Amino acid sequence: GDSVTQMEGPVTLSEEAFLTINCTYTATGYPSLFWYVQYPGEGLQLLLKATKADDKGSNKGFEATYRKETTSFHLEKGSVQVSDSAVYFCALSDISTASKLTFGTGTRLQVTL
Amino acid sequence: DAGITQSPRHKVTETGTPVTLRCHQTENHRYMYWYRQDPGHGLRLIHYSYGVKDTDKGEVSDGYSVSRSKTEDFLLTLESATSSQTSVYFCAISDYEGQGEPQHFGDGTRLSIL
Repeated sequence: GDSVTQMEGPVTLSEEAFLTINCTYTATGYPSLFWYVQYPGEGLQLLLKATKADDKGSNKGFEATYRKETTSFHLEKGSVQVSDSAVYFCALSDISTASKLTFGTGTRLQVTL
Repeated sequence: DAGITQSPRHKVTETGTPVTLRCHQTENHRYMYWYRQDPGHGLRLIHYSYGVKDTDKGEVSDGYSVSRSKTEDFLLTLESATSSQTSVYFCAISDYEGQGEPQHFGDGTRLSIL
């Protein structure tokens, strides 16, 4: 079945540092890929998405490129802020399975001054 | 933000009691989902609905039932709660089943079963 693997956290960075959170996936079809963010005490918010190979999703300075050859969708940001501290989830959905989301385990990011 | 309201937001109950969580949406979206979030597991799908009275099981459906009698409401019931069902429960909605259609999440219900 489909699965998503994310790098273990927590990730601790100083403000203005470069961020990479790795995500790889296994899917039988042609999935869409998502990054969601969860701030403390809140639900998940869609951060960005990509629906086909070589698509780049971007939002709020975050980017991720759908790499079919490496089955990856790594999240990057050039300069993190304290306000980016949150848990980040990589997920996929496949229309062949009614677009149900399969999530990674989440990566906690803490940004310090 | 998508109009999704989960109730209650917090609940503490005892093993063996029935529990019902409610998800209410104002977006008229067709699809509704219930997930549970546990450390080390991310979010896992419990049940989902693709229309009024149309539901199906997800990855971790044992011990849970759902009902959807109106487009806007999706209920999750634990018939006899167990401590293993202590978790944070999230409802999500989406408009259609197309490629890349994202799901929008409620703020969650924290359920503790003692």
